[in-house]
Amino acid sequence: EAQVTQNPRYLITVTGKKLTVTCSQNMNHEYMSWYRQDPGLGLRQIYYSMNVEVTDKGDVPEGYKVSRKEKRNFPLILESPSPNQTSLYFCASSQNSGVGNEKLFFGSGTQLSVL
Amino acid sequence: RKEVEQDPGPFNVPEGATVAFNCTYSNSASQSFFWYRQDCRKEPKLLMSVYSSGNEDGRFTAQLNRASQYISLLIRDSKLSDSATYLCVVRLGGRRALTFGSGTRLQVQP
Repeated sequence: EAQVTQNPRYLITVTGKKLTVTCSQNMNHEYMSWYRQDPGLGLRQIYYSMNVEVTDKGDVPEGYKVSRKEKRNFPLILESPSPNQTSLYFCASSQNSGVGNEKLFFGSGTQLSVL
Repeated sequence: RKEVEQDPGPFNVPEGATVAFNCTYSNSASQSFFWYRQDCRKEPKLLMSVYSSGNEDGRFTAQLNRASQYISLLIRDSKLSDSATYLCVVRLGGRRALTFGSGTRLQVQP
């Protein structure tokens, strides 16, 4: 089944403790992206990747890191989480690299709480 | 002003009603337009793309008005299962990434 898999689904952590949210897709998509969703603000892009070893900042990259060493995986790293990073996070992928009417496939989300 | 703006609602409508949402965007050079549906705290899913000439998919009709810089979504014969948040998504001119509106919540009541 074609899907984007995110883990974990829920995560509670404390300020400053490094964490990684994993994202994997099995559709051989070139484009992958991370979003955070906060009430009243919609989905905001954190980082995106056009292909292996190609990543770029989105609208709200501060406090986050990503890597794209393999086509299928795009982990999101919070080196030193802070309470303002408490949010619902979504990973997404699509076939095309941001051109045309491509469809985004989303993972099921990670609800992160930083205490 | 937000670059992609939607009325948050909620729109409370009875089953069988016709309901329409608008979404305005700030950049006249915007190229691609979509409606996504999101159920409570779940992942967004593509409902339909919006084409210049307008397009229809069953009970759903999407339209684009470039002169006034808005897109619309019309839902006919609303079902209880249509209750969700509808996200307007735009590829703003000069941007590679998609910009999401904050969504319009629809609640269809029996």
